[in-house]
Amino acid sequence: DADVTQTPRNRITKTGKRIMLECSQTKGHDRMYWYRQDPGLGLRLIYYSFDVKDINKGEISDGYSVSRQAQAKFSLSLESAIPNQTALYFCATSDLRAGGANEQFFGPGTRLTVL
Amino acid sequence: AQSVTQPDIHITVSEGASLELRCNYSYGATPYLFWYVQSPGQGLQLLLKYFSGDTLVQGIKGFEAEFKRSQSSFNLRKPSVHWSDAAEYFCAVGEGFNKFYFGSGTKLNVKP
Repeated sequence: DADVTQTPRNRITKTGKRIMLECSQTKGHDRMYWYRQDPGLGLRLIYYSFDVKDINKGEISDGYSVSRQAQAKFSLSLESAIPNQTALYFCATSDLRAGGANEQFFGPGTRLTVL
Repeated sequence: AQSVTQPDIHITVSEGASLELRCNYSYGATPYLFWYVQSPGQGLQLLLKYFSGDTLVQGIKGFEAEFKRSQSSFNLRKPSVHWSDAAEYFCAVGEGFNKFYFGSGTKLNVKP
């Protein structure tokens, strides 16, 4: 089935380490997003990409970087992880061709803990 | 700037009772509005969406929502809650074809 997958699902790391979270999708969607979820804050947008050559910062991009290696792959990197980046991270996709209010489809999430 | 407010952090209802979750938004143009549900340990699943037409929108799992432009609201309702509805619910507003802005979520507990 078409899907949005994230790896790893859980990760514990130490302050200062470089971490990469990966997202792959088989939906054929052109748009991909990275969010972080913190209790009581909902989901906040980190970065989004409308195609392989288009990367945009979201609300909270500081401390993060992304790479759109292909239409189907969008990776999020923490160059030097810090404890306040401990959160649940979600990847999402959407399809411009759907028109109108194109919904976003979410992956299962990656729980990251920075010690 | 766009924003979404969900004023209720936690709500507890008895199984079989009716449910209404509140959502207010701030957006200059006609909004695209969504409700998502997140079950424990899961990603977000779309319940319903509104972008034009009938202001009462039907979704999955027996949920509905009503868009009220005059009140800048998009409240989610269900006439009879089931124990499996216990989850966290997020309202979101879409900025055209571009970005979503999410509310902070409402956690629903269902008493037997």
